[in-house]
Amino acid sequence: AQSVAQPEDQVNVAEGNPLTVKCTYSVSGNPYLFWYVQYPNRGLQFLLKYITGDNLVKGSYGFEAEFNKSQTSFHLKKPSALVSDSALYFCALIAGNNRKLIWGLGTSLAVNP
Amino acid sequence: EAQVTQNPRYLITVTGKKLTVTCSQNMNHEYMSWYRQDPGLGLRQIYYSMNVEVTDKGDVPEGYKVSRKEKRNFPLILESPSPNQTSLYFCASSQGFGQPQHFGDGTRLSIL
Repeated sequence: AQSVAQPEDQVNVAEGNPLTVKCTYSVSGNPYLFWYVQYPNRGLQFLLKYITGDNLVKGSYGFEAEFNKSQTSFHLKKPSALVSDSALYFCALIAGNNRKLIWGLGTSLAVNP
Repeated sequence: EAQVTQNPRYLITVTGKKLTVTCSQNMNHEYMSWYRQDPGLGLRQIYYSMNVEVTDKGDVPEGYKVSRKEKRNFPLILESPSPNQTSLYFCASSQGFGQPQHFGDGTRLSIL
């Protein structure tokens, strides 16, 4: 069965430090993977996606994610966190020919000044 | 400005009183979708539409109806709302399935 897991409900990081928000997946076939961010009282915003090609994907606001097929992971990263990055982050998966978008439960990122 | 607009943003109503949440997008997107967001449950898809007059059930369609008579509009209808439909609702659109989605800012429904 297809699934997406975000193993951490909350991540805390100091401003200026690198941040990582984890996502792992289970799928038969090739995955399409997405990251979205939700700021308070707002809808989700698209950050980046992986479909094929280079395993390192660059997205909006300085974020990037690395697709790792052997570890079935798609972790979101940023070299230097900002307080304004504090938000809820969602990983999502489309699995092969399955026309269904599967969402992780979200990870709350808190960047402390 | 490209956007998805939902109305109302907030609504408190009572059990059984029919309500409609409107959703409109100005990007000529073919794919539209409704989600509800609940604590601990993440995002769950209610209904989606691949194009005009084409709609299909998502994961939690019970108690909801939708229609897609025009490309830009995708209203969500609760014919007889119940308290378990108290939630935060999002409409989203994209050029096609699998493309990045644009989300509205949400509608917070409270059903007493």
